[in-house]
Amino acid sequence: AQSVTQLDSQVPVFEEAPVELRCNYSSSVSVYLFWYVQYPNQGLQLLLKYLSGSTLVKGINGFEAEFNKSQTSFHLRKPSVHISDTAEYFCAVSVVGGYNKLIFGAGTRLAVHP
Amino acid sequence: DSGVTQTPKHLITATGQRVTLRCSPRSGDLSVYWYQQSLDQGLQFLIQYYNGEERAKGNILERFSAQQFPDLHSELNLSSLELGDSALYFCASSVGTDTGELFFGEGSRLTVL
Repeated sequence: AQSVTQLDSQVPVFEEAPVELRCNYSSSVSVYLFWYVQYPNQGLQLLLKYLSGSTLVKGINGFEAEFNKSQTSFHLRKPSVHISDTAEYFCAVSVVGGYNKLIFGAGTRLAVHP
Repeated sequence: DSGVTQTPKHLITATGQRVTLRCSPRSGDLSVYWYQQSLDQGLQFLIQYYNGEERAKGNILERFSAQQFPDLHSELNLSSLELGDSALYFCASSVGTDTGELFFGEGSRLTVL
């Protein structure tokens, strides 16, 4: 079975500061990795995904993530955050060939303060 | 706007009742997924359909059932409702079944009193 652990439930940060949201996963088979964002009262939106190839993936809104197979991690980073980045961020995995069945982490609440 | 439409947006009902949540996927998407989001359980995968057929099942209770119709819309039926079923129910859709990019609706918030 697969599992996802988001190491921080809440991350407060000041505007224009860098941020890293941490995600570790567990799986005995190959997986795809994703970060989704949920703004208040909205559904989830895909930020970025790692399917194969370069381990550094870039997504929307200036976010990027690095896949580290040896550490089974997929941390999300942004060099300079904005107030509008305040949201809930979810890391997720799906098994390769597993019909897109996404297993989500518990989420990290990013709060950007002026 | 993701293109996925869910109705109703809010629903308040009593224990023991039955409700139906409806989802219209994005145009051209063949796969539909249902997720439950609650404070204590987080985001839980319930069930997936692809072109009318069930493809994957998650932590879906026996009191819950779903189906995908020929026009590709889907319904999630929740029966014998309990207080613990109060949650946000999301529908998502995708073109295929292995791209990882799911497009989520805004959810149906169910409150069981």
